[in-house]
Amino acid sequence: DAGITQSPRYKITETGRQVTLMCHQTWSHSYMFWYRQDLGHGLRLIYYSAAADITDKGEVPDGYVVSRSKTENFPLTLESATRSQTSVYFCASNPGHTEAFFGQGTRLTVV
Amino acid sequence: GDSVTQMEGPVTLSEEAFLTINCTYTATGYPSLFWYVQYPGEGLQLLLKATKADDKGSNKGFEATYRKETTSFHLEKGSVQVSDSAVYFCALSEGGGSEKLVFGKGTKLTVNP
Repeated sequence: DAGITQSPRYKITETGRQVTLMCHQTWSHSYMFWYRQDLGHGLRLIYYSAAADITDKGEVPDGYVVSRSKTENFPLTLESATRSQTSVYFCASNPGHTEAFFGQGTRLTVV
Repeated sequence: GDSVTQMEGPVTLSEEAFLTINCTYTATGYPSLFWYVQYPGEGLQLLLKATKADDKGSNKGFEATYRKETTSFHLEKGSVQVSDSAVYFCALSEGGGSEKLVFGKGTKLTVNP
């Protein structure tokens, strides 16, 4: 299917565990982003990527790691999950000079 | 840095009422401005956009005008429907080649029949 897909849609993990959220887009957009959505904060940028092998920090990068070895994939890893990372995570892509397209989101609960 | 401020709500209206959601921004350059909508359990969808001063974005009966003099991009709709119930986000794109979006905190709209 064309578009941007995130997996899993829901995840429960324990404090201290490593967890990876996946994001895949079929358009070959150059730019990809990870945001987290929290009540009272709107969406905040975690990391972004302008192209394969190019990534940069956003507003709230601490505790997260990203990689982009292929244009279409942009996984987000929580190296050691904490309760404060309980959130809804959105991946987005953008071909440049236009709007971003968002995935359906991953609801992550850290217990 | 750049920032977006929007009325947080929640906003509750009756069907066919007039809607305004205020949005103002702070930016050093000339950003593009967006309104995104999030329906329950879904991701964000672009509702409308404007890329330069005095541009009007419109879609599905919603409108917003890019006002550089007041640094505003208020969302309006003349007659809301129950199906418009959602969370609305105002956002700006910083440009400069990064395409990063800066979001407001969102406004939850509930429309009652």
